[in-house]
This record gives sequence, C-alpha cells and structure tokens, in this order.
Amino acid sequence: DAKTTQPNSMESNEEEPVHLPCNHSTISGTDYIHWYRQLPSQGPEYVIHGLTSNVNNRMASLAIAEDRKSSTLILHRATLRDAAVYYCILRDGVDDKIIFGKGTRLHILP
Amino acid sequence: EPEVTQTPSHQVTQMGQEVILRCVPISNHLYFYWYRQILGQKVEFLVSFYNNEISEKSEIFDDQFSVERPDGSNFTLKIRSTKLEDSAMYFCASSQTGGPTDTQYFGPGTRLTVL
Repeated sequence: DAKTTQPNSMESNEEEPVHLPCNHSTISGTDYIHWYRQLPSQGPEYVIHGLTSNVNNRMASLAIAEDRKSSTLILHRATLRDAAVYYCILRDGVDDKIIFGKGTRLHILP
Repeated sequence: EPEVTQTPSHQVTQMGQEVILRCVPISNHLYFYWYRQILGQKVEFLVSFYNNEISEKSEIFDDQFSVERPDGSNFTLKIRSTKLEDSAMYFCASSQTGGPTDTQYFGPGTRLTVL
C-alpha cells in the first residue's frame, strides 16, 4: 500500500470547521482514498472515501487535490464527540485489508 | 443500524492458556477480518476470511492463531498458547463485498490481557 503522511495531532474549537490534511504523493491511479476514525476506547469507524472527485456525506466532506497527491477531510462543525484519531488510508484493488498508519489525533476544545 | 458485536469485552488469561475471541459479523456480510491494537500502537491487520477460508494473513498470524466460522453467524479467533505479547485489543470487522471501495465495519473490540 502507498504511504500517507498526516500530522500527529491537531486542535480545533467546538462548533468550528476542521480541515484534516493528508499527503499521499506516491498514490497510484487505482488507489482509493479512505478515511476512518477511532473514538476513544472504540473500534475504527468508516468516515468517507473517494477516488478523484470531492465527496460529501452526512459525517464529512473529502476534498481531493487535482493531482491526487493530497486530500483533506473536512468536518463542517466539530463537536466534542468528534475527538478521535483520524486515519487517511489508501486502498487498491489488490488487497481487502486496511493498513492503518498512526493517524491524526484531533482534540476538540469546548 | 446493524453492527458487529464481540464477546467478551475483556478477557484475562494466564500465559500458555488457549483463548477464543468471538465475533458476530453483520448478517449479510461475506468478508471477515481480525485486527489487533497493542496499547498505544497502530491498528494491525491479522487475517481476512472469505468463503470459509483464509484469504490473507499477516506475519503476526502465526501457527498459534486460527480462525473459524463454526456456524452461519459467529466468527472466532483462537490463540492456542497465549504469550505476554498477545496482550492487546482485538477487533473483528466485516464487509459486504470486499475490494477497494468496500466499507469495513468494526466491532467494539475484546481487550485481551495475558498475565
């Protein structure tokens, strides 16, 4: 799996938007960009995924750079419940497994 | 909303003992996985299972580990002779179709403590 790079930690204020960056400069044309998150003491949870176009769902938005070498997960209005480790993951068509990195630990300030 | 369940939530065992961790995947899912997370470390892939056989396993998944789907609902991970370094959170996951666009749904985990 291609490597992703994320900041170790970020802070944001409650009720403000959060932009979580991810670099994946060695991404291949068939790699999908996935985001999962892990709330404290819980299993990982799917957030969103995309290939080339920006994506929106009820949890978040995913903005993908035109060259696909980076992406940004956007939480539009952070709540305390969004405090978690966020993982940016590349998945290709070869493996079903998910390779988790260290992710970004997001702290939400009340 | 359907969810993956795991039992027990916490298992304490003595080194050298056998443990079985149980999972009930989402009912119409066909792909099953085990991951583990040692305290403070990354989530690591152990094994994937499809069509009643292992489709992939990691280097961690040695001869001490085995998986089974004994009936239509349960998916188990057995560790034959536990070691201290097996202490970790073990997460079961399931997905519907596999592949790069599929979503894996994770259970809440079993915390295994080996003394």
